[in-house]
Amino acid sequence: GNSVTQMEGPVTLSEEAFLTINCTYTATGYPSLFWYVQYPGEGLQLLLKATKADDKGSNKGFEATYRKETTSFHLEKGSVQVSDSAVYFCALSDPNTGNQFYFGTGTSLTVIP
Amino acid sequence: NAGVTQTPKFQVLKTGQSMTLQCAQDMNHNSMYWYRQDPGMGLRLIYYSASEGTTDKGEVPNGYNVSRLNKREFSLRLESAAPSQTSVYFCASSEASPGANYGYTFGSGTRLTVV
Repeated sequence: GNSVTQMEGPVTLSEEAFLTINCTYTATGYPSLFWYVQYPGEGLQLLLKATKADDKGSNKGFEATYRKETTSFHLEKGSVQVSDSAVYFCALSDPNTGNQFYFGTGTSLTVIP
Repeated sequence: NAGVTQTPKFQVLKTGQSMTLQCAQDMNHNSMYWYRQDPGMGLRLIYYSASEGTTDKGEVPNGYNVSRLNKREFSLRLESAAPSQTSVYFCASSEASPGANYGYTFGSGTRLTVV
């Protein structure tokens, strides 16, 4: 079946530090992969996506590369800011299973000045 | 701003009470979804509607019912609330069925407490 596993949190970093949040997946077909971000008290917002192997999604300084060989989609940012403090969710969508997205459990990031 | 609107934002219910969570989107999306978010468990799909007039169960449908009133609106009903239904509920919509590749647009959530 389909599932997403992402690294346990919480993660605390100093401003301008490098960020990596690991995400691996299991899928029956050829999924699209997504990162969503949830700021306190808000809904999830799409951060970036990749629809096929070796694609790189990027947005707001974040990037993630779809690695089929390692079934991974790790989120990275070279220099985090306090405003990046949020919960980050990795997700996949498998066309073969129709309408459902599969979400990881989320990783909380706190960036301190 | 265009998007997904959920009401109410907060609600406290007593065990056994009923209520309906409302969701409306103005992006002309075909597919709509209800998720619940619990600590350490991520988001779990309750019900979804691939298109107007259709609804299907997700991962955790027990204790809930839904209605796709029209293309814009998708409501979630708790007939007899239980403390286990204390959660944050999110409605989402997507441009096309099955939602693959397009991503979801989420509402801001309803925080429900059942006492």
